[in-house]
Amino acid sequence: KAGVTQTPRYLIKTRGQQVTLSCSPISGHRSVSWYQQTPGQGLQFLFEYFSETQRNKGNFPGRFSGRQFSNSRSEMNVSTLELGDSALYLCASSLATSGNTDTQYFGPGTRLTVL
Amino acid sequence: KNEVEQSPQNLTAQEGEFITINCSYSVGISALHWLQQHPGGGIVSLFMLSSGKKKHGRLIATINIQEKHSSLHITASHPRDSAVYICAVGSNSGYALNFGKGTSLLVTP
Repeated sequence: KAGVTQTPRYLIKTRGQQVTLSCSPISGHRSVSWYQQTPGQGLQFLFEYFSETQRNKGNFPGRFSGRQFSNSRSEMNVSTLELGDSALYLCASSLATSGNTDTQYFGPGTRLTVL
Repeated sequence: KNEVEQSPQNLTAQEGEFITINCSYSVGISALHWLQQHPGGGIVSLFMLSSGKKKHGRLIATINIQEKHSSLHITASHPRDSAVYICAVGSNSGYALNFGKGTSLLVTP
C-alpha cells in the first residue's frame, strides 16, 4: 500500500498571501488529521476530518481551514499568511472509526516558509 | 487541555545502553501514542496504548492509567535509534491529539 503523500513538499510564500496544501491518505483510510510543527510550540493539532466532516478543530485562528473530499483526500488552506505560520505541516491518516485510538500514519510534511 | 510532559528533554547514550523516556499527562485519556521523528521530519507511529504494556523488537512501552504516566524503553540501543521521541495523548472526547515537546535521543557508537 502506498503511504500518505503530501504536496507540495516545500513552499515559500510572502506575508499576506494564501496557501493550499494537499494530503492523500492511505487507501481505505477515511480519517485525515492535520498538524503544525514549529521549533517553539512543537506539534499542535489543527483539525481532523472523517467522511468529509470536520470532527475536531484545534485552537487556531479562522485563517486556517480545511476540507475533505469524497475520495478522502484533504486540503488545508491558510489565508493572509503571517511570518509565524512558517512551519512543517503534517497530515496523518487512520481508520479512526472511533475516536483517536487508531494508529496514525504520517505523511512526509510540507515545509512552509513565509517571508 | 491535557498537559503532556516528557522527560528528559535531551538524552545521550552509548550504544548498547538501556534507555527510558517518560511521559506524564494531566487528565484521563482514551489512548497514548509514542511517535518517532527522524531528522528531515518523517514521523512514524511506534505504539498506541490504552493499558498495560506493548513490545516491538527492542522497544517496550508501558502505561499506568491511575498514575497518568507512560514510559518508552529501548533495550540494547543502537545509533540508528537516534531520533526525537514524541508522546501524544488522545482525549476521552473528540479526536484531537495533544503532544509532548519530545525527547531528543542521540546514541553514540
